[in-house]
Amino acid sequence: DQQVKQNSPSLSVQEGRISILNCDYTNSMFDYFLWYKKYPAEGPTFLISISSIKDKNEDGRFTVFLNKSAKHLSLHIVPSQPGDSAVYFCAASLNSGGYQKVTFGTGTKLQVIP
Amino acid sequence: EAGVAQSPRYKIIEKRQSVAFWCNPISGHATLYWYQQILGQGPKLLIQFQNNGVVDDSQLPKDRFSAERLKGVDSTLKIQPAKLEDSAVYLCASSFTTFSNSPLHFGNGTRLTVT
Repeated sequence: DQQVKQNSPSLSVQEGRISILNCDYTNSMFDYFLWYKKYPAEGPTFLISISSIKDKNEDGRFTVFLNKSAKHLSLHIVPSQPGDSAVYFCAASLNSGGYQKVTFGTGTKLQVIP
Repeated sequence: EAGVAQSPRYKIIEKRQSVAFWCNPISGHATLYWYQQILGQGPKLLIQFQNNGVVDDSQLPKDRFSAERLKGVDSTLKIQPAKLEDSAVYLCASSFTTFSNSPLHFGNGTRLTVT
């Protein structure tokens, strides 16, 4: 049961343009959503998060939007830079028995073309 | 602060052999996770510790996988005997709290190849 889905395995964007990465989820009990960025041969690193009670969170060039009714979130990167080329994982977290349980999507590989 | 340390970085073994991975989390992080990431897939939780107690091992194949976290700090994950389908990157992560908004800090992983 894939509770967190990233339907686009890859995305190519020109430098300076906007990158939009999408994520869908099925479990309405998720209370936080996080995006992680992963470079080859490294572990994922935390990028940005959003609470389920918010619809937008912004941090510099990165903005995450949440549409709870559609069970959909997206990560916007503006402007995109070549250093943003990486795999981006969407993750959803819920509290289970007092502990957080984190489920990851399958990832979207972003390539920013100079 | 020092990050999550994992070793070894790479391991190649034959099927039916055993292997162990080691993880040292960020100092002060009580929660430790082991994830398995198969090529082309997202990380899948194998086991989660709070201090030295297991809070979730529902997806750990207990007939061949075992993990421990002695003294609530370092952790080891063992596979015995290994199967071809265990080829994956094994990621260790830690978090400061167990709250849902507490980001996970990952190590660089151990890439296991089973031949």
